[in-house]
Amino acid sequence: GAVVSQHPSWVICKSGTSVKIECRSLDFQATTMFWYRQFPKQSLMLMATSNEGSKATYEQGVEKDKFLINHASLTLSTLTVTSAHPEDSSFYICSASPGTGIWGEQFFGPGTRLTVL
Amino acid sequence: AQTVTQSQPEMSVQEAETVTLSCTYDTSESDYYLFWYKQPPSRQMILVIRQEAYKQQNATENRFSVNFQKAAKSFSLKISDSQLGDAAMYFCAYRTSTGTASKLTFGTGTRLQVTL
Repeated sequence: GAVVSQHPSWVICKSGTSVKIECRSLDFQATTMFWYRQFPKQSLMLMATSNEGSKATYEQGVEKDKFLINHASLTLSTLTVTSAHPEDSSFYICSASPGTGIWGEQFFGPGTRLTVL
Repeated sequence: AQTVTQSQPEMSVQEAETVTLSCTYDTSESDYYLFWYKQPPSRQMILVIRQEAYKQQNATENRFSVNFQKAAKSFSLKISDSQLGDAAMYFCAYRTSTGTASKLTFGTGTRLQVTL
């Protein structure tokens, strides 16, 4: 149980285009989903937290207009990188949580590697 | 704000031996959760072990155990009988037990090499 999928697993796009990454909780309802960014040989950096039906809460320094997050249902969140540039190339990881407190365990997706040419 | 520090960027252990990865954290909260995650080359984050701060007993999961020192704010991971498959990045993480966000704060990671 507690499986989270991400699609696509990797994507290459041209500079200036937009890319959408999907995160799905396959066997549980996720009240909260998280989006992380990871540069090579570095730790995970939280970009934003989203609750179903609400606007995402972005971490300081993360551009809301560049990284659009939509949490339309209890099993799906999307991250859209708008007008992507080479510096947006990174590994993006989502996680999903079924609740809070003791139920706030985060289950991670396999990640999406984005390369912007 | 909570911080998590992993002072060992890289560690090496021989197969079948024991290795301990260090983690310290800073918080003003009394109740929280601590985690060790493993990230192999596939980049999939895998939960290794979890510790609730209100529990005095150290968590264990098969060959993995922790040494949780609440007063010292220390949370080390011991891997016994190391196997080649244990080679990975290991991240220590902190999560508050209250509130709706349940955000994880990660350390910078320790890369573990396992040699024959």
